[in-house]
Amino acid sequence: DIVMTQSADSLAVSLGERATINCKSSQSVLYSFNNKNYLGWYQQKPGQPPKLLIYWASTRESGVPDRFSGSGSGTDFTLTISSLQVEDVAVYYCQQYYSTPLTFGGGTKVEIK
Amino acid sequence: QVQLQESGPGLVKPSQTLSLTCTVSGGSIRSGSYYWSWIRQPAGKGLEWIGRIHTSGSTNYNPSLKSRVTISVDTSKNQFSLELSSVTAADTAVYYCARAPNSGYSGNDDGPYDYWGQGTLVTVSS
Repeated sequence: DIVMTQSADSLAVSLGERATINCKSSQSVLYSFNNKNYLGWYQQKPGQPPKLLIYWASTRESGVPDRFSGSGSGTDFTLTISSLQVEDVAVYYCQQYYSTPLTFGGGTKVEIK
Repeated sequence: QVQLQESGPGLVKPSQTLSLTCTVSGGSIRSGSYYWSWIRQPAGKGLEWIGRIHTSGSTNYNPSLKSRVTISVDTSKNQFSLELSSVTAADTAVYYCARAPNSGYSGNDDGPYDYWGQGTLVTVSS
């Protein structure tokens, strides 16, 4: 199984400041034949299902504000919120869809400082 | 707009079988090429992938649950279902159904989960 590790369980950031969430996979999720990283990011608010923010490591889902961006390749990935808003308070998960069993990181809770 | 909705008993006794159904609306479960999946989340914890069924009917299960899991599809009702046998308290969780479109890339056609149900809480208790 590919283990997804999010180094921070929680993160407190001031409004308007940058939030950076890291995710590391135990093996590469880069598929060499199409040069795609099989990595997604989700946002989950209390009582709601996860919402897809980013896929292919850096492609923003339709309707997602452009303050959310994804980067990284191979085994190391980052989700960045460029200017934290109140509505961004949530838990963020990374997920690999490179191979089954599909696996998620443990989640990083983003709060307002 | 595709919508997914889970349904089933909220309380299951230990050693019995948990059965849930996901009803898909806003599109046919047979059209396109998708993976229809079940994912669960114990209270206050992270997400665990249970398994999936492809539009073609093929299935994949999490090895940690494989001996107890069956996922099936009923195209006439536009539904897919989960059965988890021999449940214990450790199976208490919110269960989500979700859809992942095929990426279209040959060799590895997986994609991210773009639509999710609202989730249903299943408690295992006598």
